[in-house]
Amino acid sequence: GEEVAQTPKHLVRGEGQKAKLYCAPIKGHSYVFWYQQVLKNEFKFLISFQNENVFDETGMPKERFSAKCLPNSPCSLEIQATKLEDSAVYFCASSHLADGYEQYFGPGTRLTVT
Amino acid sequence: GENVEQHPSTLSVQEGDSAVIKCTYSDSASNYFPWYKQELGKGPQLIIDIRSNVGEKKDQRIAVTLNKTAKHFSLHITETQPEDSAVYFCAGGYQKVTFGIGTKLQVIP
Repeated sequence: GEEVAQTPKHLVRGEGQKAKLYCAPIKGHSYVFWYQQVLKNEFKFLISFQNENVFDETGMPKERFSAKCLPNSPCSLEIQATKLEDSAVYFCASSHLADGYEQYFGPGTRLTVT
Repeated sequence: GENVEQHPSTLSVQEGDSAVIKCTYSDSASNYFPWYKQELGKGPQLIIDIRSNVGEKKDQRIAVTLNKTAKHFSLHITETQPEDSAVYFCAGGYQKVTFGIGTKLQVIP
């Protein structure tokens, strides 16, 4: 497609439950990025992929967060055993260029952990 | 890692006036500086970007300048319109970008 698609739009989970978010990059884009935006507007980089390969995962909380980009499937970000502080909007971005250039963002998934 | 600072955090201008948002960065290896506009409830929209081999770039009412020596870059919006009201983010980096904290721009009709 011509836009980055993210599902679901909203997700509510009780503390300790699993959350799974999906991202379909723009067709032809090889690079996918995940960011977390918390209430103070701060964007935190989580992970990036080049096709199905992890490119940079320096922002991922390793204990509970995992992500995948498999061929012919939407990319996914999964949070095991959610905590209250995981409440945020999670954005996916994609690019057809290397080096982080020209990232186009999806509409985000708002995760609320209660 | 990269640290991007942005100011002001809020900015109010009269319709038709210019708006300027400034950012500084810390990592001299950073070579890419995009600007994003985020409207309420939406994802950030890339509005203009600049690479480190260029000092200035313009697209209609929007321009960005980059001073590599001083490690700062700025967004200039001329002839502001009410629809320019949004939160603007600067970002910078190499292979991934670090975002500033955002500037809430209000254009008063």
